[in-house]
Amino acid sequence: QVQLQESGPGLVKASGTLSLSCTVSGASISTYYWSWIRQPPGKGLEWIGYMHYSGNTKYNPSLKSRITISEDKSKNQLSLNLSSVTAADTAVYYCARHQWLGELSAFDIWGQGTMVAVSS
Amino acid sequence: DIVMTQSPDSLAVSLGERATINCKSSQSVLWSSNNKNYLAWYQQKPGQPPKLLIYWASTRASGVPDRFSGSGSGTDFTLSISSLQAEDVAVYYCQHYHGTYTFGQGTKLELK
Repeated sequence: QVQLQESGPGLVKASGTLSLSCTVSGASISTYYWSWIRQPPGKGLEWIGYMHYSGNTKYNPSLKSRITISEDKSKNQLSLNLSSVTAADTAVYYCARHQWLGELSAFDIWGQGTMVAVSS
Repeated sequence: DIVMTQSPDSLAVSLGERATINCKSSQSVLWSSNNKNYLAWYQQKPGQPPKLLIYWASTRASGVPDRFSGSGSGTDFTLSISSLQAEDVAVYYCQHYHGTYTFGQGTKLELK
């Protein structure tokens, strides 16, 4: 079955860049759309952005100036870079698969998430 | 941007009783081109990622028990659990997924 696994540093210094990977198994990333979502401790869910192997990407306007989402086909991974981080970026970061082959679909498969804390 | 507002923020229901959670969008999420509501519901238990329960406002995802049902159209939606089980204690989120992917703030469902 399809599985997603996020990985990356659990601690990032303020003003630095948060870099995470999501390894996909059981499916090719060159098929579906893939999103990143985050959840600050004790709070709700915020969509960060999505990517498609075709190069189609879309970002949350509130984060757009700081985000890059890309893929590594050789590793079947997608990645997230978030620059100029502050304490407000402390959250559990999830990757998720869009349910259908188009981007306009719900997220049917999620990774377990990885906690990232921003330190001053 | 579309804002999704859930009510109530928290809800306590007895085992076997019905639970109802509401979600209101600031703009219609019904697309006339295909007559579909781009609205999903997720369940999140502590320490776990969200799980897709309902999509297209009323279609249950694979493996979701039939005690879960979604209804509504346009701007007003409801998630109902017909007979609450202990394992249904969780936070529930609605989400709009056309263009943007905005979530509601969540509704915490507890046992009374």
